Amino acid sequence: EVQLLESGGGLVQPGGSLRLSCAASGFTFSNYAMNWVRQAPGKGLEWVSGFRSSSGIIDYVDSVKGRFTISRDNSKSTLYLQMNSLRAEDTAIYYCAKVYGTSGAIFDYWGQGTLVTVSS
Amino acid sequence: DIQMTQSPSTLSASVGDRVTITCRASQSISSWLAWYQQGPGKAPKLLIYKASTLQSGVPSRFSGSGSGTEFTLTISSLQPDDFATYYCQQYNSYPLTFGGGTKVEIK
Repeated sequence: EVQLLESGGGLVQPGGSLRLSCAASGFTFSNYAMNWVRQAPGKGLEWVSGFRSSSGIIDYVDSVKGRFTISRDNSKSTLYLQMNSLRAEDTAIYYCAKVYGTSGAIFDYWGQGTLVTVSS
Repeated sequence: DIQMTQSPSTLSASVGDRVTITCRASQSISSWLAWYQQGPGKAPKLLIYKASTLQSGVPSRFSGSGSGTEFTLTISSLQPDDFATYYCQQYNSYPLTFGGGTKVEIK
């Protein structure tokens, strides 16, 4: 059974940093692209960052470029999101999501999410 | 960036009703469109991809259609588990973008 378990969320002051982790199990992690999607409280879904299936190229939404860094450790089956210079507008539930096959960019499994709150 | 616009934002319906949700893209995305369902406090669930392909395990009362810039998600006979929020997502180009969501409420 595929499982994705996020951790690392919490309360942080504006300008601070957090590192999110997503521990994966139930599939061969190294074979799949992984992404981060967030959801501000009461709002819709926003794609944040991810690896492209075919090329391994990394993409970011413009609002986090230069502040967030996605990475992965295939030996630990873990996805990361390093978030620096956090802003109030980064407050959201952060989901890690597994890409479906070689589709490139649709998500067949999601974690339960980890809440990041940026506030003084 | 490709903007995705869903309508309506909220829909009130009864069990057994036929429900249709529309998603429009700001430019052509061919058939590179997915639909997700999100229940309260839950992670999204993939329903349909490539505009009309049903994900494995998804009930056949869900169907998708469209291409280019206009797409629809139809639920042929609404069931109690279907009261949720639905999102479309384009994957024609980066950044990936979602529609604003359609909440299906009990009438």
